[in-house]
Amino acid sequence: AQTVTQSQPEMSVQEAETVTLSCTYDTSESDYYLFWYKQPPSRQMILVIRQEAYKQQNATENRFSVNFQKAAKSFSLKISDSQLGDAAMYFCAYRSAGDDMRFGAGTRLTVKP
Amino acid sequence: KAGVTQTPRYLIKTRGQQVTLSCSPISGHRSVSWYQQTPGQGLQFLFEYFSETQRNKGNFPGRFSGRQFSNSRSEMNVSTLELGDSALYLCASSLLVGQNTEAFFGQGTRLTVV
Repeated sequence: AQTVTQSQPEMSVQEAETVTLSCTYDTSESDYYLFWYKQPPSRQMILVIRQEAYKQQNATENRFSVNFQKAAKSFSLKISDSQLGDAAMYFCAYRSAGDDMRFGAGTRLTVKP
Repeated sequence: KAGVTQTPRYLIKTRGQQVTLSCSPISGHRSVSWYQQTPGQGLQFLFEYFSETQRNKGNFPGRFSGRQFSNSRSEMNVSTLELGDSALYLCASSLLVGQNTEAFFGQGTRLTVV
């Protein structure tokens, strides 16, 4: 069964600095997608970034980028120039064809002013 | 364009009762998924519907059921509520199904069972 592991329950970062959130996953599939979702206190999950397993190039969305290491089954999220609005729970998720989306346990990110 | 709407936002029920939660997807979206979020278990998949058909079901007891209507709106029902059913229930809608389809989430329904 596919599992997603986020080993950092909590992380903190100083405003304007960079932080990296870790995620590993376990799968025997070769084609799948990986996602990072953000859940602020409003509880609404928001897609931050996604990566297709077949693409070697790491996805980037403005201040958010990923480090995708397929062989190591690792998918970390880097947030550059952290802002107070980045404070939230971050969930790593995995989905393969015909399957449901699997989420990690989440990392609570605190941004210090 | 309106987002995913879940009603009600908050609900308090007594053990043994049943509850129905509603989810209205983004207009044009045909896929709706449900998740249960608890501090201990995290986000767990309940079921996924596409065009009124259940495509996937998570590992939950039969007390949890759902359905999707022709307008893509979905409901989930929990019968014989237990204290452990207290959770945030999230609904997500997608245009289609498939691993690359972005899921848009609602704000959830907070269910408390007393």
